[in-house]
Amino acid sequence: DQQVKQNSPSLSVQEGRISILNCDYTNSMFDYFLWYKKYPAEGPTFLISISSIKDKNEDGRFTVFLNKSAKHLSLHIVPSQPGDSAVYFCAASAIDDYKLSFGAGTTVTVRA
Amino acid sequence: GAGVSQSPSNKVTEKGKDVELRCDPISGHTALYWYRQSLGQGLEFLIYFQGNSAPDKSGLPSDRFSAERTGGSVSTLTIQRTQQEDSAVYLCASSLASTDGYTFGSGTRLTVV
Repeated sequence: DQQVKQNSPSLSVQEGRISILNCDYTNSMFDYFLWYKKYPAEGPTFLISISSIKDKNEDGRFTVFLNKSAKHLSLHIVPSQPGDSAVYFCAASAIDDYKLSFGAGTTVTVRA
Repeated sequence: GAGVSQSPSNKVTEKGKDVELRCDPISGHTALYWYRQSLGQGLEFLIYFQGNSAPDKSGLPSDRFSAERTGGSVSTLTIQRTQQEDSAVYLCASSLASTDGYTFGSGTRLTVV
């Protein structure tokens, strides 16, 4: 039962343009959301997070938006750079739960 | 160590054999997690260790899977009588008991033939 869904398995974007990655979740108990980035042959690394009390969190080129009523979040990367080419995982956890539920990932390719 | 270390990085085994996967977490991290990623799937929670508390084994897919953590540090995930559906990348992570602080290892790619 996939509680976190990333419906786009891949995304191709030109360097300098915006990348928008989407994530939907089904568990209304989720209150903390994270994005991880993964390069081949490496483990995922934490990128950015957002608590359910917020609807936006920004860190440099990365912004995460949360729409609780739609159970949807998105990651914006502006401007996209070649080094951003990686797999991006959306993850979520419920209150007082240490376990993260992950989506299947979106592979981003930034074209020069 | 500086990061989470996993060994081996790759393991090919014959169906029915037992395998052991090792994880060496970041020194001082009390929480340790095992996840696995099957082809085309998200990361699937397997087991969680926190200090001296009883582990949360709720994600282990069958009784062929077991894990232990010795001395609050190194952890070993054991899969007995491996099956082809066990083929996946097994990822270990450690943290200071906060979800923000998950640091993953590079994983062990297990292939059961």
